[in-house]
Amino acid sequence: EIVLTQSPGTLSLSPGERATLSCRASQSFSASFLAWYQQRPGQPPRLVISGASNRAAGIPDRFGGSGSGTDFTLTISRLEPEDFAVYYCQQYADSPRTFGQGTKVEI
Amino acid sequence: QVQLQGSGPRLVKPSETLSLTCSVSGDSISDYYWNWIRQTPGKGLEWIGSVYFRATTNYNPSFESRVSMSIDTSKSQFSLHLSSVTAADTATYYCAGGYSSRLFHFWGQGTRVSVSS
Repeated sequence: EIVLTQSPGTLSLSPGERATLSCRASQSFSASFLAWYQQRPGQPPRLVISGASNRAAGIPDRFGGSGSGTDFTLTISRLEPEDFAVYYCQQYADSPRTFGQGTKVEI
Repeated sequence: QVQLQGSGPRLVKPSETLSLTCSVSGDSISDYYWNWIRQTPGKGLEWIGSVYFRATTNYNPSFESRVSMSIDTSKSQFSLHLSSVTAADTATYYCAGGYSSRLFHFWGQGTRVSVSS
């Protein structure tokens, strides 16, 4: 199975700053099959980005995704208070679908 | 807007079968793909498997020997059965759905299940 490793584990930033989250895969796959989810405390995950760079419905344009091969990035251009959460990457290039272990973005 | 509501026992004894049901509202269950995903502090998010309206299933090999999923379109529900549970199966279980078999566009709130005698 494809193992996804996210870094850093925790990102300490302030509102208005830029966040850069990394997701590295154990094997290469098309960027079309990489997604990002946001999980706030006590809530289920929410799809943020699919196809490595396509924002899901209702996701503001400060969220952006990029990458290819084995290295993918989620960027939040200017952090808003509601963006402080845990973010997971997920691959759907192969079965089983797998998730990274998460990056916590904290104030 | 599709809404999911999971239900089932919150406490299961070791070696027994964990059974959860997810009720779908807001749209036809036949139009989407349905999944079970669990979350633990140790292993994070784990995709357990999926079921489609024709009862086609796709399971994670890690669970394949003891998992079964089903769908009841007449009730707009789909179900998870996980047998021979141990303490390691204590987790929050999410039902989730998607427009494709690969992504999870909408999620239930999660059902916290503990395995203990």
